Order: sequence, then structure tokens, then C-alpha cells
Amino acid sequence: SQQGEEDPQALSIQEGENATMNCSYKTSINNLQWYRQNSGRGLVHLILIRSNEREKHSGRLRVTLDTSKKSSSLLITASRAADTASYFCATDSNSGGSNYKLTFGKGTLLTVNP
Amino acid sequence: DAGITQSPRHKVTETGTPVTLRCHQTENHRYMYWYRQDPGHGLRLIHYSYGVKDTDKGEVSDGYSVSRSKTEDFLLTLESATSSQTSVYFCAISSGLAANTGELFFGEGSRLTVL
Repeated sequence: SQQGEEDPQALSIQEGENATMNCSYKTSINNLQWYRQNSGRGLVHLILIRSNEREKHSGRLRVTLDTSKKSSSLLITASRAADTASYFCATDSNSGGSNYKLTFGKGTLLTVNP
Repeated sequence: DAGITQSPRHKVTETGTPVTLRCHQTENHRYMYWYRQDPGHGLRLIHYSYGVKDTDKGEVSDGYSVSRSKTEDFLLTLESATSSQTSVYFCAISSGLAANTGELFFGEGSRLTVL
């Protein structure tokens, strides 16, 4: 079963607006990551937030993490048409040792209209 | 870009035939992964490796086997391909959480069609 679930499944906005995507997960984690996937390409890492962090920024990206609610949000400010892509959250299993693996959600498809 | 290549990038095969997908990395990363991506399911982990000859199953491992005889190569084999294995397969690599990064680097994907 999938650990992370993104919401909404699809989001359409106008250029310049902000886009917010949410991710909920089920079990304890070491970190939560967000990835981006352009159509027909591999995933690209955007940002990692550790379980002891509450907020992190990277350029126009802002990620929050609420471990009590087992949820995270990704905010893209001042969106551009080039931000059109699918966005995935991924969590590790907090099991340590050699069992390092990430479980991905189903993704949010963001469309930014010019 | 991380040095990770997948081959073949596209393959069409028939039901019942064996198929091997190759993932090659030049980063000397410890961890390697095979995911499949299907509409409505996102990415699902098939198998992963945490070292040479050290592999483990993911959530959708049935019908797949893997091998890692050297650090740089991770092979995914479908012994007898079925139509349900039609998918896009992604290889990913990571140095692991112990290296204080934990991020995965993905290949460009291998699109497999089983007729």
C-alpha cells in the first residue's frame, strides 16, 4: 500500500498564482521529500524536510511538515507555465539500517496556464 | 545530472518472453531501486538493492527478479512477461540517508509494452 497520498489529484491555476499541494502519510518517517516529474521524464528531487523540521524554503518552494497530523504541504509561489508538471511526495520507512527506501504517492498534476 | 542510464528506453515484446532492463550508474551510490509507474497508481517499488548482491523486495515484486553483481549495474528481469507488466520502469539511485541527503536520482525511464 502507498504511504503518501497527495491532494488534490489535479490543480489548474493561472500564471502568477500560488499553488498548494498536500500530502498525507500513515507511519512514522525520518524525512519527507517532494519530487517533480515533467511529462515523459524521470522524477527530479525538489526538497527534503526532516521529521524534526517544520518548515523549509528553497527559492519559490515552501514545504511544511506536521508530524502530529502526518501531513505535509508544498507551496509554489508566483507560478510559471514552466512549473506545469506532476508533483509527488515520498516518505521513508523510518526503519533505519539497510532498509532505506522511499514510498511515493500518486502525485498531483499541476497545470499553470499562461 | 546524476550519471544514471537505463536501457533499453523502449521495448515491445510478446507475452511469455523474458525481458531484462538494465540500470547503470557512475555515481558509486550504494542504493539502487526499480519502480514502475502506471496511471492511477503513481510509482510503486518493485525491488531495491542496498549493496552488491544485497537485494530486497518492494511492494509489487511478483513476476520480477533482480540482480546486482557490481556496484554500477542493477538488472530487472521479467522471466515471462505478461500484459499486466506493460508499464514505464524507472531506476533510481541514492547514497542513502546515512549520507545526510537521502534523495533519489532517477533515470529517464524504460517504456515496456507487452502484447
